[in-house]
Amino acid sequence: DTGVSQNPRHKITKRGQNVTFRCDPISEHNRLYWYRQTLGQGPEFLTYFQNEAQLEKSRLLSDRFSAERPKGSFSTLEIQRTEQGDSAMYLCASSFGSTNEKLLFGSGTQLSVL
Amino acid sequence: AQKVTQAQTEISVVEKEDVTLDCVYETRDTTYYLFWYKQPPSGELVFLIRRNSFDEQNEISGRYSWNFQKSTSSFNFTITASQVVDSAVYFCALSERVDGNFNKFYFGSGTKLNVKP
Repeated sequence: DTGVSQNPRHKITKRGQNVTFRCDPISEHNRLYWYRQTLGQGPEFLTYFQNEAQLEKSRLLSDRFSAERPKGSFSTLEIQRTEQGDSAMYLCASSFGSTNEKLLFGSGTQLSVL
Repeated sequence: AQKVTQAQTEISVVEKEDVTLDCVYETRDTTYYLFWYKQPPSGELVFLIRRNSFDEQNEISGRYSWNFQKSTSSFNFTITASQVVDSAVYFCALSERVDGNFNKFYFGSGTKLNVKP
């Protein structure tokens, strides 16, 4: 068990550019979540996958955000036409789906939009 | 309204002091789960404990203990004999069943604990 892995750890981009983050969950976990965390706040839910199906999306997820989980393994989160307000830590978590699931988190990708 | 409230933004203690981090939650569900996570400066959220709504027994794990009281909707976390390595941001979270297949997690805004030598 190597834990949840996220790449890159840090991303600096200019406003208007597209960025993509990757998350590799724990291999036997069928559920994958993306969260966003801004300074001084707790993580906020963005979206959720059960295997390859994206079953839930937050209102926070604007049209510029898209997430995929092909083949139910790794996941990518893409932000198009980045804005300064997108600067945040993007956290991925995975779990083995059950009623009493616990989320195990990766180290996150810190995005800075200049 | 906030589902999870952590009123203490930041706490500073001297090593070996005991410290309690408060968490108050709000839910209409009868079945739910409560969690504490630790976020050290490295950024990764580390799972500490999960409690279900039917189990109000207090739990102790080494220097950590948790007090769950449904009557006051609180799930407080105490660190006994704090150490410098305990310095981190601690998050309380609530998990509710949204539909047949999805647990939604709500996190508080966190309490930053500074333990000084």
